[in-house]
Amino acid sequence: GAGVSQTPSNKVTEKGKYVELRCDPISGHTALYWYRQSLGQGPEFLIYFQGTGAADDSGLPNDRFFAVRPEGSVSTLKIQRTERGDSAVYLCASSPLGGSTEQFFGPGTRLTVL
Amino acid sequence: RKEVEQDPGPFNVPEGATVAFNCTYSNSASQSFFWYRQDCRKEPKLLMSVYSSGNEDGRFTAQLNRASQYISLLIRDSKLSDSATYLCVGGGGGGNKLTFGTGTQLKVEL
Repeated sequence: GAGVSQTPSNKVTEKGKYVELRCDPISGHTALYWYRQSLGQGPEFLIYFQGTGAADDSGLPNDRFFAVRPEGSVSTLKIQRTERGDSAVYLCASSPLGGSTEQFFGPGTRLTVL
Repeated sequence: RKEVEQDPGPFNVPEGATVAFNCTYSNSASQSFFWYRQDCRKEPKLLMSVYSSGNEDGRFTAQLNRASQYISLLIRDSKLSDSATYLCVGGGGGGNKLTFGTGTQLKVEL
């Protein structure tokens, strides 16, 4: 079956611009997570959705970062006034219920801020 | 101090060797633990969950020691295809957000 998909696969932008990254979770998965992975590091948690609501946004680094999941399926991560330090791979994951169930990751969006 | 710490490697081993990775965690509230595998420029994929009783899946054995806050992964008879980065992961809380270590790079050579 279809896994988690993310678009675009690569995004190059200039410092100060606004970007949107999209995640399509596995159909029927209620839990959705965003992580960010910098070179040589493990993924770092950003935000977790259960259904439409953000249940935990403690990992968002600052108020330039925002994410939505209006219908409980597709999610969009939005970054305003991008900075060079935002360059990383942004990974989305979904799981059937949250809790201790396995998280399935998408291929990620590689964001480069020039 | 990072919540999950592991040696970044790389570990270069010959095919057929046994290799062990270790990981420590600092958050005693962590409830579940995993090893994920990540190939170069790919997404992480679950390798196996880790239990206090230890669990084995073919050539892979994982162990959790809650008293020492220590997690291990043993790979026997390593294959070229085992070359990847192995991420030690803790999960906890109601939503089970995952906390990843830096990853340990393994290179299996002929």
